[in-house]
Amino acid sequence: GAGVSQSPSNKVTEKGKDVELRCDPISGHTALYWYRQSLGQGLEFLIYFQGNSAPDKSGLPSDRFSAERTGGSVSTLTIQRTQQEDSAVYLCASSYLAGSTDTQYFGPGTRLTVL
Amino acid sequence: AQSVAQPEDQVNVAEGNPLTVKCTYSVSGNPYLFWYVQYPNRGLQFLLKYITGDNLVKGSYGFEAEFNKSQTSFHLKKPSALVSDSALYFCAVRPTGGFKTIFGAGTRLFVKA
Repeated sequence: GAGVSQSPSNKVTEKGKDVELRCDPISGHTALYWYRQSLGQGLEFLIYFQGNSAPDKSGLPSDRFSAERTGGSVSTLTIQRTQQEDSAVYLCASSYLAGSTDTQYFGPGTRLTVL
Repeated sequence: AQSVAQPEDQVNVAEGNPLTVKCTYSVSGNPYLFWYVQYPNRGLQFLLKYITGDNLVKGSYGFEAEFNKSQTSFHLKKPSALVSDSALYFCAVRPTGGFKTIFGAGTRLFVKA
């Protein structure tokens, strides 16, 4: 079956512009996560969705970052007024449930470059 | 603060030799432990996880990991390395009952023919 997909694969934008990154999780997966991977660093948790529950936004670095998940499936991460420090690979992952033991399946990521 | 440490930025191994990629963690309680691998231009792939039971966990591609509670470690191992194992490896920890996964900074493995 299809894995997690993300689009675009690469995004180059100018400082101050807004960007939207899309994630399509594996069909049937109820949990969805966004992470940021900066050069030479590990994955930084951003936000988590589980079913119809309110998302956990505790990892979002500033109010310029927001995310939605429509219909319990597709998710969009929006970064407003992008800054150069936002340049990173943004990874999306999904899991069947949200239990502690569940394996997360990752998409290929979106590489964001802010000039 | 909860954290995961991968003390080696890079590990170099000759093909056919055993390999170890180290991971230690500082998380309260009895966390669940994961290893992921990232090949060039590809997303993270799950390798293995420790939930409970036998301290030696076997995973994909011939990898295994040993959980040591007293040393709070979860080192990744493989008896005989392949050139195709060259990739970036991430150790991850999830506290019991939680959903947030804490990732290490990653260790780049180079296997030389």
